[in-house]
Amino acid sequence: GAVVSQHPSRVICKSGTSVKIECRSLDFQATTMFWYRQFPKQSLMLMATSNEGSKATYEQGVEKDKFLINHASLTLSTLTVTSAHPEDSSFYICSARDPSKGQSYEQYFGPGTRLTVT
Amino acid sequence: AQSVSQHNHHVILSEAASLELGCNYSYGGTVNLFWYVQYPGQHLQLLLKYFSGDPLVKGIKGFEAEFIKSKFSFNLRKPSVQWSDTAEYFCAVNGGGYNKLIFGAGTRLAVHP
Repeated sequence: GAVVSQHPSRVICKSGTSVKIECRSLDFQATTMFWYRQFPKQSLMLMATSNEGSKATYEQGVEKDKFLINHASLTLSTLTVTSAHPEDSSFYICSARDPSKGQSYEQYFGPGTRLTVT
Repeated sequence: AQSVSQHNHHVILSEAASLELGCNYSYGGTVNLFWYVQYPGQHLQLLLKYFSGDPLVKGIKGFEAEFIKSKFSFNLRKPSVQWSDTAEYFCAVNGGGYNKLIFGAGTRLAVHP
């Protein structure tokens, strides 16, 4: 149980275009999802917390107008990188909490999306 | 602000050697502590977690971790590693009732047969 999927797994886009990444909880309803960015050989950096039905909470230094997050349903959150630039190239990972687990703060992670901006 | 420090960035061991990966956190209140593992080409998986109770926590694949509150530490241990334990290991902390996890920089473990 507690499977999180991401689509696409890899995407290459041209500078200036936008790209959307989907994160789905497959066997549970996730009221809260998280978006991380992972640079090569570095740790996960939390970008934002996505709450179903409300605005995302962005971490300090993350541009909300550049990284648009939508959590329209209990099983889907999307991250759109707008006007992408080569410096946005990275590995983007989502995770989700299962509220049926009560106060457990465990997060279930998706497989990640490798974005390359040319 | 919460932070997590992992002291070993890269560890190389031979099979059957014992493993201990250090993790220290900075937060004075109640914390929840996690170790995640990322095998090559795979997504993050939970190894073990501590919320309360027995400070010695046992996880999957023979891993265990000990929460020492006085030292703000949550070190990961395994008595005898295998080649299949080659992966990157992340310590994470959640405290203050917040949703989010703060991750350490990760430790890359390579086990040679």
